[in-house]
Amino acid sequence: ETGVTQTPRHLVMGMTNKKSLKCEQHLGHNAMYWYKQSAKKPLELMFVYSLEERVENNSVPSRFSPECPNSSHLFLHLHTLQPEDSALYLCASSQGGGRYNEQFFGPGTRLTVL
Amino acid sequence: AQSVTQLDSHVSVSEGTPVLLRCNYSSSYSPSLFWYVQHPNKGLQLLLKYTSAATLVKGINGFEAEFKKSETSFHLTKPSAHMSDAAEYFCVVSVTHNDMRFGAGTRLTVKP
Repeated sequence: ETGVTQTPRHLVMGMTNKKSLKCEQHLGHNAMYWYKQSAKKPLELMFVYSLEERVENNSVPSRFSPECPNSSHLFLHLHTLQPEDSALYLCASSQGGGRYNEQFFGPGTRLTVL
Repeated sequence: AQSVTQLDSHVSVSEGTPVLLRCNYSSSYSPSLFWYVQHPNKGLQLLLKYTSAATLVKGINGFEAEFKKSETSFHLTKPSAHMSDAAEYFCVVSVTHNDMRFGAGTRLTVKP
């Protein structure tokens, strides 16, 4: 595997379900990100982990819970989601926290909440 | 505060003709600017980035962009469009790695 991988690629869940999205980066980076991409809206940064420490984002509902067990893996735990949470969830990684450091993206998980 | 505005939500060109995708930015600090491309069902791929070293930036697949501070613009161009260029393009402004702002995107259609 190379780059940034995400599983599953597609997920359909009910509002009472609990599921997790997984992201793995094979680039040796030390920062990882979760983004939400909804139709007709700009990408929204949800969470940032730098050196495995989380940077809080207060605008994200608590029904989304990130976890970063090590610098290569990132999870997004989902519970009691709403239909408006249906979107493409993208994971990204970068080396260091500098503003010149580009982010490398995974292919995304297409989430549908029924 | 920083933000980015992509002036066209959709651009359509014929194969072999030039491409121009427009981006204006607003930033309180000297910004870093990026262009990403997203093909259907794929993640975002970096095309090029501006880091203050040179105002004309060359990227992959023949794309380039020019940073114009006086106009607060960072337009993306390509001399000759190819069918494989059809995708969504995102302009991004960054002050820190925690604060990257994405434009709404421009969908590029390439007609045969």
